[in-house]
Amino acid sequence: SQLAEENSWALSVHEGESVTVNCSYKTSITALQWYRQKSGKGPAQLILIRSNEREKRNGRLRATLDTSSQSSSLSITATRCEDTAVYFCATDAGYGSSGNKLIFGIGTLLSVKP
Amino acid sequence: EAAVTQSPRNKVAVTGGKVTLSCNQTNNHNNMYWYRQDTGHGLRLIHYSYGAGSTEKGDIPDGYKASRPSQENFSLILELATPSQTSVYFCASGDAAGVEQYFGPGTRLTVL
Repeated sequence: SQLAEENSWALSVHEGESVTVNCSYKTSITALQWYRQKSGKGPAQLILIRSNEREKRNGRLRATLDTSSQSSSLSITATRCEDTAVYFCATDAGYGSSGNKLIFGIGTLLSVKP
Repeated sequence: EAAVTQSPRNKVAVTGGKVTLSCNQTNNHNNMYWYRQDTGHGLRLIHYSYGAGSTEKGDIPDGYKASRPSQENFSLILELATPSQTSVYFCASGDAAGVEQYFGPGTRLTVL
């Protein structure tokens, strides 16, 4: 079955540093998404990267996708305290075949300290 | 701006009781989803819907029912609540392409 999983349970950095969260998945996909969930809130999408793309940027965020190794990374530069959150990767298997369902990883807790 | 709301935000129920969690979206999205989130498991899909009148089983449907009476509303029903259903429940909506999902703020359910 399809599985998306982040490779670290928790990461801690100081403000201004850069950090990378990694994700691996097990089956072919059409797209991979990165979500962020702040404490007490629902997840919110950060970046969507399609299987024919290798890199996508959104401000201080940069996502990469390597379909040959079935892995993705999300890098955050110049981190801020408000980046503290749980970061999830989520994959789908294409429109219709899985009912437009997403498979979420367990998440990586990123703590950004002053 | 996408808007998904959930009620109640917090609920304490007794074992064996009936619990209904409600979700409303103003995005006019066809698809709606119910997840539960537990430490060590991430988000797991319980039920989802393609539109009014439709419900589909997700990955962990046992002990749950769902109802989609309209485009805007999607309910999750626990007919006989058990302590193992203590969790945080999230509702989400997505368009027909199903690419991005918009989540509500969550409902914290405690079953005693």
